[in-house]
Amino acid sequence: LAKTTQPISMDSYEGQEVNITCSHNNIATNDYITWYQQFPSQGPRFIIQGYKTKVTNEVASLFIPADRKSSTLSLPRVSLSDTAVYYCLVGDGGDDKIIFGKGTRLHILP
Amino acid sequence: DGGITQSPKYLFRKEGQNVTLSCEQNLNHDAMYWYRQDPGQGLRLIYYSQIVNDFQKGDIAEGYSVSREKKESFPLTVTSAQKNPTAFYLCASYHRDRRYGYTFGSGTRLTVV
Repeated sequence: LAKTTQPISMDSYEGQEVNITCSHNNIATNDYITWYQQFPSQGPRFIIQGYKTKVTNEVASLFIPADRKSSTLSLPRVSLSDTAVYYCLVGDGGDDKIIFGKGTRLHILP
Repeated sequence: DGGITQSPKYLFRKEGQNVTLSCEQNLNHDAMYWYRQDPGQGLRLIYYSQIVNDFQKGDIAEGYSVSREKKESFPLTVTSAQKNPTAFYLCASYHRDRRYGYTFGSGTRLTVV
């Protein structure tokens, strides 16, 4: 299972675009990159998943460079409700277990 | 709607008691997981199960036990051997179709009194 590295915390302001980068230098060929969001006292929820280039859905975009050794979660025009912890996971989905790091604690200021 | 149900939402345990946390899913997922989360920390894996009647230890299995008698159910028992059980416990499941990622329950907060 590829190890990931994310910033411990980030602050931003309402209406700004927020980019959270995750490093995964030993990502394997079959691995996908998945991001989750967790609010206090709730379970993490799936945000977005990608393999290469760019993926966009209704809540976020995921940018993955050609070497796939990193990825960036982009949240457009954040609001106070986007304050949460964001986790980056790398794996092929067939892994026996999933390992979450400490994630990135995003704090949105008014 | 399909999903994962964890119960109870809050649980209080006296020292020396065993308690069992329930996790049920109707998603027809094969794999199920138990995680522990302490305040301000990430998730740590306790146990996981890929198929019925089989499970493996995670990183912090000591003081915990599980069973997987049915595909839908993966209960976690916190035994008296777990010296610091106060934490937030999360159950998750996963289907072979990776596009949907992992689905988590809403968690059980266990407090030792």
